[in-house]
Amino acid sequence: AQSVTQPDIHITVSEGASLELRCNYSYGATPYLFWYVQSPGQGLQLLLKYFSGDTLVQGIKGFEAEFKRSQSSFNLRKPSVHWSDAAEYFCAVGETYNTDKLIFGTGTRLQVFP
Amino acid sequence: DAGVIQSPRHEVTEMGQEVTLRCKPISGHDYLFWYRQTMMRGLELLIYFNNNVPIDDSGMPEDRFSAKMPNASFSTLKIQPSEPRDSAVYFCASRGSGGYGYTFGSGTRLTVV
Repeated sequence: AQSVTQPDIHITVSEGASLELRCNYSYGATPYLFWYVQSPGQGLQLLLKYFSGDTLVQGIKGFEAEFKRSQSSFNLRKPSVHWSDAAEYFCAVGETYNTDKLIFGTGTRLQVFP
Repeated sequence: DAGVIQSPRHEVTEMGQEVTLRCKPISGHDYLFWYRQTMMRGLELLIYFNNNVPIDDSGMPEDRFSAKMPNASFSTLKIQPSEPRDSAVYFCASRGSGGYGYTFGSGTRLTVV
């Protein structure tokens, strides 16, 4: 069965610092991968997605993620974090782009210090 | 587009009462999902519909939970009777056939006392 692991429950960074949030998946075939962000009291918003092709994908709000098949990873990055990026981030995997079900990781809470 | 609309935003009810959560998906989306989010279990898929038909309800925790989608623009999730352990944030999400991820509503925070 497919699964998603986000090893970091909580990450704290200073504003302006770079950020990398880790995501590892377990799935036999090519997965379809997503990153979502959830601000307090809000629903989840899609940041970016990977289906195929270029393994480095760009998303909204200056985020990017890189798919590494050899490491079963899809880490989210941002070169310079803003205070408004403080939120919870979820990685998700689906079987195909037309997946009926997404499996979500447990999330990583990002705290940003001024 | 107004996005996925859920109501109410907050619900406080007493144990044993019936609770109904409502969702209006994005027009044209033919998939609708109900998720529950808790600190202990994270995001759990409860049930999803395709073209108003329930496809997989294996995540529905108990018979106390039921969901319906009478038409393409409306779905309900009902808990009867409610229990304190049902306290959570319930999200509705919808998706079109193109598969470009879900669009989530803002959620309903349910507190059962």
